[in-house]
Amino acid sequence: GAGVSQTPSNKVTEKGKYVELRCDPISGHTALYWYRQSLGQGPEFLIYFQGTGAADDSGLPNDRFFAVRPEGSVSTLKIQRTERGDSAVYLCASSLTGGGGEQFFGPGTRLTVL
Amino acid sequence: GESVGLHLPTLSVQEGDNSIINCAYSNSASDYFIWYKQESGKGPQFIIDIRSNMDKRQGQRVTVLLNKTVKHLSLQIAATQPGDSAVYFCAEKGNTDKLIFGTGTRLQVFP
Repeated sequence: GAGVSQTPSNKVTEKGKYVELRCDPISGHTALYWYRQSLGQGPEFLIYFQGTGAADDSGLPNDRFFAVRPEGSVSTLKIQRTERGDSAVYLCASSLTGGGGEQFFGPGTRLTVL
Repeated sequence: GESVGLHLPTLSVQEGDNSIINCAYSNSASDYFIWYKQESGKGPQFIIDIRSNMDKRQGQRVTVLLNKTVKHLSLQIAATQPGDSAVYFCAEKGNTDKLIFGTGTRLQVFP
């Protein structure tokens, strides 16, 4: 079966631009997570959805970052006024029910802000 | 794809030997721990997990040991193979659903 997919795989943008990153979770998974991974680091939590609602957004670094999951399936991570420090791999994961279940990761979107 | 980490601690082992990767975690309240494998250009892949009420769990060629007294986790890989070459992360989960990842260790397997 299909795993978690993320598009685009690579995104290059200029400082100050707006970007959207998309995540398609495994079908039927109710929990969806966004993480950010900088070079040489482990993934850092950004936000977690249970269904359509954000259950924990404590990892979002500032108000330039926003994520939605309007129908409880696909999620979009939105970054406004991008900065060079936003450059990283953005990983999405999904879990069947959340609550400690295994999180399955997608391949990530590599964002480069010039 | 780009390497996951250029300055990670590195463990080099010969094919067929056993590997031991160590991890220190931060939160004594964490009750669930996972080891992930990440190959270049890919997302982390689940290897094995353990709950805090256990101190050892075995899978296929892998064993995880948990020492809650010193907040230490280890991953043992038996008969290491070239396909095991990757970056390995430990992750902990506390009372929320988010995972907190460690820094990672690069495993290099040479013939």
